[in-house]
Amino acid sequence: DAMVIQNPRYQVTQFGKPVTLSCSQTLNHNVMYWYQQKSSQAPKLLFHYYDKDFNNEADTPDNFQSRRPNTSFCFLDIRSPGLGDAAMYLCATSREFPETQYFGPGTRLLVL
Amino acid sequence: GENVEQHPSTLSVQEGDSAVIKCTYSDSASNYFPWYKQELGKGPQLIIDIRSNVGEKKDQRIAVTLNKTAKHFSLHITETQPEDSAVYFCAARLSNFGNEKLTFGTGTRLTIIP
Repeated sequence: DAMVIQNPRYQVTQFGKPVTLSCSQTLNHNVMYWYQQKSSQAPKLLFHYYDKDFNNEADTPDNFQSRRPNTSFCFLDIRSPGLGDAAMYLCATSREFPETQYFGPGTRLLVL
Repeated sequence: GENVEQHPSTLSVQEGDSAVIKCTYSDSASNYFPWYKQELGKGPQLIIDIRSNVGEKKDQRIAVTLNKTAKHFSLHITETQPEDSAVYFCAARLSNFGNEKLTFGTGTRLTIIP
């Protein structure tokens, strides 16, 4: 019974070619988060949505955008991926902010 | 902002022995401390958490202790099994309104030796 679903699990894109990663949740949680995790590092918060309110971290590059069309879905858009954007991207949800977070399986992005 | 240090970065333990991972945090206003287990190629899974109003919490073979005075908390795994092998992350969350995001430690790679 997957609760936080991420698609695809693996994504290959070309340098500079826009890419979208998706996340959906069956928990009906108010908050959805996107993290970037590079090899052997801790997850780094990019931004979060509380319902429709978008909250960007100060150090998140402009290259990263997000959309949340409804409670269940949230998208991460990378407008012009660079080689340094290759990473695991993790989606997480919580019932309220900043309560316990539940992570999805992640999407591993490869930039060629 | 909050800063979380985690030690050790790698830990090898004989199957059946106990493993202990320690974290320290910088901001005394932190009030929530989860631990996540991340297996290779998967997202982090919450395994246990503790809030600042208690000093210890246990769930079967896993326990977490919190020392608010010293600003450190530890994960204890007893009777370790091969499936405990993973990377473990601690995290801390500030209670100050507007700055409550989780701050993660740098992770501990735990290897259980059969």
